[in-house]
Amino acid sequence: EVQLVESGGGLIQPGGSLRLSCAASGFTVSSNYMSWVRQAPGKGLEWVSVIYSGGSTYYADSVKGRFTISRDNSKNTLYLQMNSLRAEDTAVYYCARESNLPSGWAFDIWGQGTMVTVSS
Amino acid sequence: EIVLTQSPGTLSLSPGERATLSCRASQSVSSSYLAWYQQKPGQAPRLLIYGASSRATGIPDRFSGSGSGTDFTLTISRLEPEDFAVYYCQQYGSSPSFGGGTKVEIK
Repeated sequence: EVQLVESGGGLIQPGGSLRLSCAASGFTVSSNYMSWVRQAPGKGLEWVSVIYSGGSTYYADSVKGRFTISRDNSKNTLYLQMNSLRAEDTAVYYCARESNLPSGWAFDIWGQGTMVTVSS
Repeated sequence: EIVLTQSPGTLSLSPGERATLSCRASQSVSSSYLAWYQQKPGQAPRLLIYGASSRATGIPDRFSGSGSGTDFTLTISRLEPEDFAVYYCQQYGSSPSFGGGTKVEIK
């Protein structure tokens, strides 16, 4: 079964760090474009970061310089290292696979999400 | 950055009615890069439509997408009870972005 399972969320103080994990099954992370998308409580979806199959990485301006996306091919797992966390980073974080489907690109597989709360 | 504006913010309809959701882009979007998602409370988004008009695997044919350029539409021909949810459009430009969402609620 094709599946993504996130972990690593929790309560963290402003300025702190946290690493999220996203374990994939049924497909190979390193052969796909993989993204993190977040959703603040009661708000819409916000794209955060992507890592391409070739290893290139890109970030939303709101997290650039603070967050780092990476993957461990041996564990088939995607990561998001989050540093210098702010209250506005509070959200459910989803990992998602981007696929080049027959007639277009889309996020076709999503994890269940992990909640990150930044608060003192 | 391409901004997507969805309207209306909330759509109040009864089961069996037709729902028409709009997504307008601040600049032209390739149809290949326009998708729609459904999200229910406490759940992850689910892909409904990609390439502006292609249904994802397992999506019922009451869901259809159309449009091009800056104006895109998601239509649900006859609302089923399980269709009441929030719907997001999304584009791939220089970086991906989502619209603010349309909530389809039971009237």
